[in-house]
Amino acid sequence: DAKTTQPPSMDCAEGRAANLPCNHSTISGNEYVYWYRQIHSQGPQYIIHGLKNNETNEMASLIITEDRKSSTLILPHATLRDTAVYYCIVSKNSNYQLIWGAGTKLIIKP
Amino acid sequence: GAVVSQHPSWVICKSGTSVKIECRSLDFQATTMFWYRQFPKQSLMLMATSNEGSKATYEQGVEKDKFLINHASLTLSTLTVTSAHPEDSSFYICSVTNQGENYGYTFGSGTRLTVV
Repeated sequence: DAKTTQPPSMDCAEGRAANLPCNHSTISGNEYVYWYRQIHSQGPQYIIHGLKNNETNEMASLIITEDRKSSTLILPHATLRDTAVYYCIVSKNSNYQLIWGAGTKLIIKP
Repeated sequence: GAVVSQHPSWVICKSGTSVKIECRSLDFQATTMFWYRQFPKQSLMLMATSNEGSKATYEQGVEKDKFLINHASLTLSTLTVTSAHPEDSSFYICSVTNQGENYGYTFGSGTRLTVV
């Protein structure tokens, strides 16, 4: 079973920030939080990952709570092309098997 | 990160025939590649781990004689669906790990297999 819990779906208006929550209350100290997304009929795409500190890259920001039991992926200015299923995964590092949950289907509306 | 090319992007075949799917790591020597299967409206399920120069490791419930994996070089892994049946129709995806960069996995674009 996946070690994360995400809402099944979310809507967001184009141009607004999309905030996708993820609960990972059983995360262990050496596990990272990874975020991937999958646009329809394509392979998953890496977005961002973090261990303890908040992270930001050209695609998104990742906010991890101090107790590391939950995190939020932020797409600062959502576009229609951001419509996808977003997966939150915890894993020791990239060499370990990823266990995929159901993810959050994010729909960006004009 | 690594660049992964998967071919073909879609294929339609008749029941009983075999289909080969290729996964190439274009700029990265991948000692390990992974093969996933995804049914409609479901999440990815790991089928097998492909190891260069050795036998693949299959997940429980995946028939190794039906899903033949060959990883003969550091840049190419192939998945052959033998004697395909309609229930094998699915989206097949390969991936490689970016070892040393900790950027997670890079995925191929996937292959949509339809068995008629």
